Amino acid sequence: ETGVTQSPTHLIKTRGQQVTLRCSSQSGHNTVSWYQQALGQGPQFIFQYYREEENGRGNFPPRFSGLQFPNYSSELNVNALELDDSALYLCASSPQTGRSSGANVLTFGAGSRLTVL
Amino acid sequence: DQQVKQNSPSLSVQEGRISILNCDYTNSMFDYFLWYKKYPAEGPTFLISISSIKDKNEDGRFTVFLNKSAKHLSLHIVPSQPGDSAVYFCAASVPGAGSYQLTFGKGTKLSVIP
Repeated sequence: ETGVTQSPTHLIKTRGQQVTLRCSSQSGHNTVSWYQQALGQGPQFIFQYYREEENGRGNFPPRFSGLQFPNYSSELNVNALELDDSALYLCASSPQTGRSSGANVLTFGAGSRLTVL
Repeated sequence: DQQVKQNSPSLSVQEGRISILNCDYTNSMFDYFLWYKKYPAEGPTFLISISSIKDKNEDGRFTVFLNKSAKHLSLHIVPSQPGDSAVYFCAASVPGAGSYQLTFGKGTKLSVIP
C-alpha cells in the first residue's frame, strides 16, 4: 500500500510567479485535502476535494486553486505568489466514509516546501 | 483567532518518565479531536483520537484525556522513549461537511532524553 506522495519536495519561486504542486493520494482514498504550514505554525486548511469537486475551503484567497483527477490525484495551484506564501504545503488523503463515523483521519504526505523570494 | 492552542512550544522528559502534552480549544462545536506526530522532513502521522462523547481513549503507551467543560485535552505518553521525540500537533474538527477539515494547534516539540 503506497502512501501519499508529493512533488516537488522543494522549490523556489519569485513574487508574482505561479506554482503547481502535485499529490498522489494513498491507494483506496478518494478525498484529498491541502494544508499550508508556515514556519512555527500548525497546518492550516486550504481546501478539500471529493469526486473532483471542491468540498470545503478554508480562509484562503481565490488565487489558491486546486484540481482533483479521476485517479484521485490532485494539484494545488497558487497564482501571483507573495512572500507570505513561503511555507510547507501538505497534501492529505482520506477514505470517504459516513459523516458521523468520526473516521476523519488524514494520511499526510511529506510536503512540498515553497520559498518565495 | 486561534481555536486550538498548544501553549507549550517545547517539553523535555527523561526516558521512561511520563510525557504530558496539553491542548486547549475555544470552539464548542468541535466534536472530534486528534493528535498527530511529526518528525523532521516527514508529514504528520496520526497517533490517537477521541470523540467528544468520551473522556478517555487509550492505545498502548498513548492515552488522550478530554475535559469538555474545561475545553481541554491532554496526551499522556507512558513510558516515554527516545523515538517519541517529535513535534506533536493537537487537531480538532466540527461535524458535518467540514468533518475532514482539521484545525491544528501550533505544536509542541517533545524531546525525550535517554
